[in-house]
Amino acid sequence: DTGVSQDPRHKITKRGQNVTFRCDPISEHNRLYWYRQTLGQGPEFLTYFQNEAQLEKSRLLSDRFSAERPKGSFSTLEIQRTEQGDSAMYLCASSLAAPGAGDNEQFFGPGTRLTVL
Amino acid sequence: KQEVTQIPAALSVPEGENLVLNCSFTDSAIYNLQWFRQDPGKGLTSLLLIQSSQREQTSGRLNASLDKSSGRSTLYIAASQPGDSATYLCAIAGNMLTFGGGTRLMVKP
Repeated sequence: DTGVSQDPRHKITKRGQNVTFRCDPISEHNRLYWYRQTLGQGPEFLTYFQNEAQLEKSRLLSDRFSAERPKGSFSTLEIQRTEQGDSAMYLCASSLAAPGAGDNEQFFGPGTRLTVL
Repeated sequence: KQEVTQIPAALSVPEGENLVLNCSFTDSAIYNLQWFRQDPGKGLTSLLLIQSSQREQTSGRLNASLDKSSGRSTLYIAASQPGDSATYLCAIAGNMLTFGGGTRLMVKP
């Protein structure tokens, strides 16, 4: 399967714990995005990378959240000191786009569902 | 700031009906517009992408139109089937996707 993959698919944690999610994009894609989706809502943008550079971060991405894409391939999203309000589906997407140009079609992974107790 | 609205929020139709889902957006400076399907608890599946310079795209029973001047897009589903039951999301592409809240579609046998 050459689609976007995410791991884990489900994560249950206690409030105050740290969690880390991984996303593997489609191999030739240079852009990688993180979104968060709460129940009954559309996804909301968190951050994106072009290759290894993090180009934009949403105001939703508090200082407890950090994302990396060290070699321009896979990415990790870490949430420190989790809160109940962090419970959501975290979606990763990738695309192929020329630098500075508008985006092409984004392809999404299956998501990681986080439950904070 | 781009804002995207989808109407209706929920729709229930009998099998075989043709239906239209609506999406409106506030900023016409867009790169493209994507329609997605999402099944409960799953990720997003891309259905159609309309580039900024295009007016419509078709895939099987699906047809999506784009009118940038009025800030509207529609997704037309022909001859609906129970398997079409899902949430349909439209998203506007700038540097990232801005999503509407989705339309939850139920097609009854």
